[in-house]
Amino acid sequence: GDSVTQMEGPVTLSEEAFLTINCTYTATGYPSLFWYVQYPGEGLQLLLKATKADDKGSNKGFEATYRKETTSFHLEKGSVQVSDSAVYFCALSEGEYGNKLVFGAGTILRVKS
Amino acid sequence: NAGVMQNPRHLVRRRGQEARLRCSPMKGHSHVYWYRQLPEEGLKFMVYLQKENIIDESGMPKERFSAEFPKEGPSILRIQQVVRGDSAAYFCASSPGLSGHEQYFGPGTRLTVT
Repeated sequence: GDSVTQMEGPVTLSEEAFLTINCTYTATGYPSLFWYVQYPGEGLQLLLKATKADDKGSNKGFEATYRKETTSFHLEKGSVQVSDSAVYFCALSEGEYGNKLVFGAGTILRVKS
Repeated sequence: NAGVMQNPRHLVRRRGQEARLRCSPMKGHSHVYWYRQLPEEGLKFMVYLQKENIIDESGMPKERFSAEFPKEGPSILRIQQVVRGDSAAYFCASSPGLSGHEQYFGPGTRLTVT
């Protein structure tokens, strides 16, 4: 079946550093791709998404580009803040209706002031 | 507009007992999904339901697990005769429609089996 692999954490950065969290996927079709963020004690929130090749999703300074040739969807942010500390999940949609989400294992991000 | 509600947030059960997890979707949402997150792993799809219908249960274990989403009331994930391996965080999500819609997640229920 389809799968998602993302870089292991935790990732520890200083405030204002550049962030990259790698995500690659394996899929038989052409799934939509997502990044979700989970803050402590809360549910997952959609951070950004891309629905087709070369689409760029962006939100709150984060961005990711759907790269079909490398089957990747890396998350980037130019300048992280302490408030960005959270767990980040890469995911793809599969199934007849595209409603079933397949998640990576999650990457813990810690930003120090 | 209240988000997806799950209760209880924490549930402790002894081996052999039953666990019932509840999920109230966002207002206006008629599609519910359940995911399980085992320690150190990502979320794994379990089941997708519409009101009174199970659409896709391909991720549900074959025994002891069942889910429903009645016409009235919350969706229920039921685990009979729990075992230690059932200890996990169970997340519910909801969406307004069939395809191409964002899923909104609840805060999860953390089940501990002692």
